[in-house]
Amino acid sequence: EDKVVQSPLSLVVHEGDTVTLNCSYEVTNFRSLLWYKQEKKAPTFLFMLTSSGIEKKSGRLSSILDKKELFSILNITATQTGDSAVYLCAVVTYGQNFVFGPGTRLSVLP
Amino acid sequence: DTAVSQTPKYLVTQMGNDKSIKCEQNLGHDTMYWYKQDSKKFLKIMFSYNNKELIINETVPNRFSPKSPDKAHLNLHINSLELGDSAVYFCASSQDPLAGRQETQYFGPGTRLLVL
Repeated sequence: EDKVVQSPLSLVVHEGDTVTLNCSYEVTNFRSLLWYKQEKKAPTFLFMLTSSGIEKKSGRLSSILDKKELFSILNITATQTGDSAVYLCAVVTYGQNFVFGPGTRLSVLP
Repeated sequence: DTAVSQTPKYLVTQMGNDKSIKCEQNLGHDTMYWYKQDSKKFLKIMFSYNNKELIINETVPNRFSPKSPDKAHLNLHINSLELGDSAVYFCASSQDPLAGRQETQYFGPGTRLLVL
């Protein structure tokens, strides 16, 4: 059965800290890995990763994929209270299956 | 303009009733999806439609049926509602994954369903 695991499940930091969120997966026919941010409502897309070792960056957020070790990390530097959210990792397979992890709940305190 | 919209935003109903949730996207995407997010915030895919064909049908009860009148709409019909159906239902759309295009999904705002 396809599976996505995220760690930690929750994290509390102070503004200015740097955080690393982890996502590991066991799926058949991996195609790509996606990161989302979910605040109070719908998830919003952050990154799509398909190739190992190529870092994607967007402002203070960055992510990288390791297809050999079957994991991805999402880094957030200089965290702000607005970064507080649940961060979801999802893996897409060639069978067109989207498998979501349980999410990491990040709380950034002022 | 809203890219993916859902109606209603909130739905409170009694057990045994039949209800529908509507979804529309104006992004010109080929594929639309329905997800269920339960009280533990776990997001699970229920269906996806590509060019009016069901291409993913996870093990959901057959009380749930997606209906796609055209490429821009994917409605979710639920018959004989049960307490366990209470959740937030998200609609999403993306380009056709099989065409090798960007798989980014754009989500609607969600419909919070409460079955009493």
